[in-house]
Amino acid sequence: NAGVTQTPKFQVLKTGQSMTLQCAQDMNHNSMYWYRQDPGMGLRLIYYSASEGTTDKGEVPNGYNVSRLNKREFSLRLESAAPSQTSVYFCASQLQGALYNSPLHFGNGTRLTVT
Amino acid sequence: KQEVTQIPAALSVPEGENLVLNCSFTDSAIYNLQWFRQDPGKGLTSLLLIQSSQREQTSGRLNASLDKSSGRSTLYIAASQPGDSATYLCAVTKGERNTDKLIFGTGTRLQVFP
Repeated sequence: NAGVTQTPKFQVLKTGQSMTLQCAQDMNHNSMYWYRQDPGMGLRLIYYSASEGTTDKGEVPNGYNVSRLNKREFSLRLESAAPSQTSVYFCASQLQGALYNSPLHFGNGTRLTVT
Repeated sequence: KQEVTQIPAALSVPEGENLVLNCSFTDSAIYNLQWFRQDPGKGLTSLLLIQSSQREQTSGRLNASLDKSSGRSTLYIAASQPGDSATYLCAVTKGERNTDKLIFGTGTRLQVFP
């Protein structure tokens, strides 16, 4: 029972490099999310996908792109990494959207450092 | 703009104590409130979800209450154990149409010592 799986667990990038963070869930959830967690800032929503084929911006989308590849997978891409993107990135999924009162399930995170 | 605050930021208690963690939010128009637990180096685990029409939810030694009008929620942990040591976060869902966004507090870091 894997739940939400994120890869990689750790990554170090140089400024200007690109990378894609992968996320997959095996719970047949409709909604998926990408958050970043920074000390003193809490979790902030980057992008979300309410259902397969749709994506929407969250609170801090600048510098990121996403792809909802299918119902299971939701990837986050950094096209040109900047030191301000050093953070811990969490993927989460939910059976329905928040308005349906179903709990959020999180992956274990990707720790990204941009030098 | 909805803001979620958790006080205290850190708490250290001896094993066996009953304790209360606080969460406050500035906009009472929420749809639900969730409490999460985060262990070091891990993701968040959902503990309790309270719908806006509910006053409280219970799971084992945990009890969460919600007072929308005053913008407050509390998480009560009975007979605390060292295994309860973790960071506890609350999050509210904005009461707007067609939104799936949770607003998180910055958490209370709890340490329960033997």
